[in-house]
Amino acid sequence: LAKTTQPISMDSYEGQEVNITCSHNNIATNDYITWYQQFPSQGPRFIIQGYKTKVTNEVASLFIPADRKSSTLSLPRVSLSDTAVYYCLVGDPRSSYKLIFGSGTRLLVRP
Amino acid sequence: DAGVIQSPRHEVTEMGQEVTLRCKPISGHDYLFWYRQTMMRGLELLIYFNNNVPIDDSGMPEDRFSAKMPNASFSTLKIQPSEPRDSAVYFCASSPGTKVWQGDQPQHFGDGTRLSIL
Repeated sequence: LAKTTQPISMDSYEGQEVNITCSHNNIATNDYITWYQQFPSQGPRFIIQGYKTKVTNEVASLFIPADRKSSTLSLPRVSLSDTAVYYCLVGDPRSSYKLIFGSGTRLLVRP
Repeated sequence: DAGVIQSPRHEVTEMGQEVTLRCKPISGHDYLFWYRQTMMRGLELLIYFNNNVPIDDSGMPEDRFSAKMPNASFSTLKIQPSEPRDSAVYFCASSPGTKVWQGDQPQHFGDGTRLSIL
């Protein structure tokens, strides 16, 4: 499974847009990019998944450039409740449903 | 729709005791995963099952750890004997497998069992 690299931590303020970038230089052709969010004392929670270009849902957007060696999770207008750890994962869901979590990015949203 | 249910939520026990963690996956999910999370090592995959059969247990730390899935709605992770270094949060997750392609998410996690070995 491809290894990912993301910033250890980020700070933001309420109402701002937050962009978290993840590098996955060795991503394979069949790999998808998935983001999870984890609050203290809870299990990780799925945010968004994509293969190429842009994916948007009610929570976030995922931008994937043509070479797919990186991806950016965009959280519009964050609130205090978005303070959490965000994990970027890559893998081929058609061959394995195994997920390998890295260190994640600890996002702190300030008032 | 009930999510993944884990019990107990918290467990405190003395070194050397047997510990059993329980998990009920989401009905209809074909895959079940056990993870361990610590500050030092982050979130580690211990073992996973497909249709109740263990597929990959390479993450199980040592022989003191064992996991079973006697049926599609129940799994256990057992530590015997327990040691202080086993203290961690243990998560169970389940996946709908191929239904991921119908828009479902890859894995659904429970809220974990916080285990403290004294």
